[in-house]
Amino acid sequence: DSGVTQTPKHLITATGQRVTLRCSPRSGDLSVYWYQQSLDQGLQFLIQYYNGEERAKGNILERFSAQQFPDLHSELNLSSLELGDSALYFCASSLGTTHTDTQYFGPGTRLTVL
Amino acid sequence: AQKVTQAQTEISVVEKEDVTLDCVYETRDTTYYLFWYKQPPSGELVFLIRRNSFDEQNEISGRYSWNFQKSTSSFNFTITASQVVDSAVYFCALSEAVWRDDKIIFGKGTRLHILP
Repeated sequence: DSGVTQTPKHLITATGQRVTLRCSPRSGDLSVYWYQQSLDQGLQFLIQYYNGEERAKGNILERFSAQQFPDLHSELNLSSLELGDSALYFCASSLGTTHTDTQYFGPGTRLTVL
Repeated sequence: AQKVTQAQTEISVVEKEDVTLDCVYETRDTTYYLFWYKQPPSGELVFLIRRNSFDEQNEISGRYSWNFQKSTSSFNFTITASQVVDSAVYFCALSEAVWRDDKIIFGKGTRLHILP
């Protein structure tokens, strides 16, 4: 158990809809990272927050957004969903500010868009 | 540009055999970090090792060992006396120095099957 929690575990929705994925980092970690894992693209970094501020951006679509709240939990919002957004979405956390730190991953949220 | 190549898509070995998973990386930085993660069938990603570019010492942790060679830009992972519980997808990853556009790049992964 990494100490990172993600909810929900599974999400099934329809095209065009909007969903919110939630992540709670390990106790004491200030950074939260979001990743998408799909068969086509593999494991891709989406976005990172550190202590409430956006720190780094990866291959995140404009339809996707995220935020980190004062209690350090984070939410990833996916809107205008398309079939291709079906994937496993991971959240990870680390103590420091950068990708060079060790990241601990949550169990993931499996999103299915029908 | 960063790149991580795991040329072995899938490997099957019989239990108790040794197996090496290859990882070749590309970077123009002199300071970078390399990682290995394990993704068992349950789906979560489990951290295995983090190594910085200035530390070329090989590392051993139980049945796991890592061979870092800057001359060939490789960071290979060996499992000795493999067990069925080692069956998983293994990812190698690279992160460059902090003053760059900070990202981590994962390889496509190697799916390892340990046959009883």
